[in-house]
Amino acid sequence: TQLLEQSPQFLSIQEGENLTVYCNSSSVFSSLQWYRQEPGEGPVLLVTVVTGGEVKKLKRLTFQFGDARKDSSLHITAAQPGDTGLYLCAGETTDSWGKLQFGAGTQVVVTP
Amino acid sequence: KAGVTQTPRYLIKTRGQQVTLSCSPISGHRSVSWYQQTPGQGLQFLFEYFSETQRNKGNFPGRFSGRQFSNSRSEMNVSTLELGDSALYLCASSLDFRNSYNEQFFGPGTRLTVL
Repeated sequence: TQLLEQSPQFLSIQEGENLTVYCNSSSVFSSLQWYRQEPGEGPVLLVTVVTGGEVKKLKRLTFQFGDARKDSSLHITAAQPGDTGLYLCAGETTDSWGKLQFGAGTQVVVTP
Repeated sequence: KAGVTQTPRYLIKTRGQQVTLSCSPISGHRSVSWYQQTPGQGLQFLFEYFSETQRNKGNFPGRFSGRQFSNSRSEMNVSTLELGDSALYLCASSLDFRNSYNEQFFGPGTRLTVL
């Protein structure tokens, strides 16, 4: 059982549409990161959120951390083909310092 | 600043053999973590090293081991390879998480295929 549950598992949309990926847990996280991974490559860090209720923006990407620090979401506005990839959330709990726990990932495909 | 480098990028071995993978962290990063990524299990934490000491360990059998050198470079070793060990092995480095968030920066990985 994954500590972090991501949904949906797969998302296929047209260029210009919006999308939201969710990351949920019953555990409280001291910090949570979002990564994007392309085939055959390592994950690339997009953002870190640490404060409950925090919202961070990275161009067309908006990241939210839940008030209770148990969940997070990633929203992409006007998706482009370059946004295609596997989106992973990861975090560590206060009783598992140094062990980053990953969700299973959401595969996003944006077609022109 | 150079990123995390891993060698080799691809490796083919047969069952029963052993393999050593290498990782050079970002300059100044003293923590190195290793992960196994498979389609079925996703990213699974193997272990984390800091100052040449293993600080954290995941739920993998003793066939999986690692070490870290004084320059923070790290190696992981898998002995008596099994077919199920075929995976992408990822190394990630970070500043000491005790002083900062555990933001990890990943290398490109080593694709291991066991035949």
